[in-house]
Amino acid sequence: DIRMTQSPASLSASLGETVNIECLASEDIYSDLAWYQQKPGKSPQLLIYNANSLQNGVPSRFSGSGSGTQYSLKINSLQSEDVATYFCQQYNNYPLTFGSGTKLEIK
Amino acid sequence: EVQLQESGPGLVKPSQSLSLTCSVTGYSITSNYWGWIRKFPGNKMEWMGYISYSGSTSYNPSLKSRISITRDTSKNQFFLQLNSVTTEDTATYYCARYYGYTLFDYWGQGVMVTVSS
Repeated sequence: DIRMTQSPASLSASLGETVNIECLASEDIYSDLAWYQQKPGKSPQLLIYNANSLQNGVPSRFSGSGSGTQYSLKINSLQSEDVATYFCQQYNNYPLTFGSGTKLEIK
Repeated sequence: EVQLQESGPGLVKPSQSLSLTCSVTGYSITSNYWGWIRKFPGNKMEWMGYISYSGSTSYNPSLKSRISITRDTSKNQFFLQLNSVTTEDTATYYCARYYGYTLFDYWGQGVMVTVSS
């Protein structure tokens, strides 16, 4: 199975700041990487797929980048509604595997 | 609007079977793929398996001997059965609709299942 190592586990930032979340795959996943957002008490929402393609309706302050084994999610101009847990998922190979999540809070 | 809702017992005894239902509204389960994912305490997530629009299934090899995913197209529901559960199966269980063959675009709210005597 492909292991996804996500960091940091938690993150506290101020409104308006830019934050970065990283995912490292145990092997090359050829940009087959998605990011999800799960707000407290809600179900996960797909934010980004193919490492850098924004899902319909997702604000443009979210962006993804990376290739090979290293990927990142960037949130510009942090808003209060961005408080959530974010996790990555690789889909280059079955079984699908997920990162362990990053809990984002506002300072 | 596509909506998924998990239901089932919140407490299961060790060695028994866990059975959950995912009820889908706003979209037919005879289209797309439909999956089960679980989230353990501590946030680790595990893909469990899927059932396709045609009824074919695929399971995580880590669960293959214990898991079964079935469906009732007349009720637009699909089901998870996990046999011989242990305390390590304590998790929040989600059903989800696939986006393509590999991503998930609609998820249920999740149902917390505790395995305990």
